[in-house]
Amino acid sequence: AQKITQTQPGMFVQEKEAVTLDCTYDTSDQSYGLFWYKQPSSGEMIFLIYQGSYDEQNATEGRYSLNFQKARKSANLVISASQLGDSAMYFCAMREGNNFNKFYFGSGTKLNVKP
Amino acid sequence: DAGVIQSPRHEVTEMGQEVTLRCKPISGHDYLFWYRQTMMRGLELLIYFNNNVPIDDSGMPEDRFSAKMPNASFSTLKIQPSEPRDSAVYFCASSPSNRWETQYFGPGTRLLVL
Repeated sequence: AQKITQTQPGMFVQEKEAVTLDCTYDTSDQSYGLFWYKQPSSGEMIFLIYQGSYDEQNATEGRYSLNFQKARKSANLVISASQLGDSAMYFCAMREGNNFNKFYFGSGTKLNVKP
Repeated sequence: DAGVIQSPRHEVTEMGQEVTLRCKPISGHDYLFWYRQTMMRGLELLIYFNNNVPIDDSGMPEDRFSAKMPNASFSTLKIQPSEPRDSAVYFCASSPSNRWETQYFGPGTRLLVL
């Protein structure tokens, strides 16, 4: 089974609107961490946000928030007030356990922000 | 403060040649990660170090790959001999111990093995 599933290969959003990128995960570990990364067309990878499995509150970093629904095993990324510069690939990832020897990435979602 | 520095940015080599990729992490960061990104396999963690010590190399594809971190400011990823299927973008990332989940990525090395 896939550890990380991103079901939206591509998405469009109008500038200034909010957008949700879906991510579901599969693990039987009690301790795990969830990550989101952004990869613009220039190729670099940018860490956006992290959520630990024991964190009760949803993580937020500026315009990014992680909608963590543990029972549903989902970790959706919400981008508020989309900007043209948000157009990029977005990857969801999971670390099982307390170190990085089990670290899995999703296949990514390509987000296009329209002016 | 400078970010993670990787060199070279692009490398074209012929099958069978040795390739060495270099990484300088952000000063003060205790963790260093090597990733590989391909169209077929996506992003994969190859190996990571904590305080210069390799913690887990189970992601390294095979014995042709080796990584070292001789000091806190330098790491190498070596492929010997290289094969066309090693063609990929290789990223180095570092993070501080008090926020290990916040990884700062280098610009990547785009490797093409002919």
